[in-house]
Amino acid sequence: TQLLEQSPQFLSIQEGENLTVYCNSSSVFSSLQWYRQEPGEGPVLLVTVVTGGEVKKLKRLTFQFGDARKDSSLHITAAQPGDTGLYLCAGSSRGSSNTGKLIFGQGTTLQVKP
Amino acid sequence: GAGVSQSPSNKVTEKGKDVELRCDPISGHTALYWYRQSLGQGLEFLIYFQGNSAPDKSGLPSDRFSAERTGGSVSTLTIQRTQQEDSAVYLCASSLEAGGARIQYFGAGTRLSVL
Repeated sequence: TQLLEQSPQFLSIQEGENLTVYCNSSSVFSSLQWYRQEPGEGPVLLVTVVTGGEVKKLKRLTFQFGDARKDSSLHITAAQPGDTGLYLCAGSSRGSSNTGKLIFGQGTTLQVKP
Repeated sequence: GAGVSQSPSNKVTEKGKDVELRCDPISGHTALYWYRQSLGQGLEFLIYFQGNSAPDKSGLPSDRFSAERTGGSVSTLTIQRTQQEDSAVYLCASSLEAGGARIQYFGAGTRLSVL
């Protein structure tokens, strides 16, 4: 069974601080996605990483895919209250690459206080 | 509407009753997925439909759960003889075609509460 372990599960920080969320597995994924979800809404895709070692930046967010494609991280610089939400990583394995079936981590609840 | 639409948004039912949850995917999207999410947790894959192919039912937790997709568009997830542990948010997603790097667009979900 493929699992994605996300850490930390909860994070409460002050506006302006930096933070990193980790997503780890013992399995190899063909691609990995990061989503952000707000209460009462469905998850919204932030980024997809496909190549081992890949780094993608989205404004203050930096995403990295591990060289072995087993882990990923999300780093937020100078967090804002608008960054508050549930962050989810999701992986697609080679076996499910034709279906798009995703394996999700447990999520990281981020609260940024003004 | 332009997005994935799910109904009802909230459903309260009594233990033992059957419930039906509906998903209207984005027009033209051939792939449709159902997930279940417990409070503040990640999503658990339930079932996947792609065109006229046989659905991937590998994530359904028991035979009380079933789903169908009529005409390649609207999908219904049915839970028979509901149990309290079925309480969760049920999310539907659609994508233009299958594939690991394809973007899945999610609906807002149906929050199911089994009393």
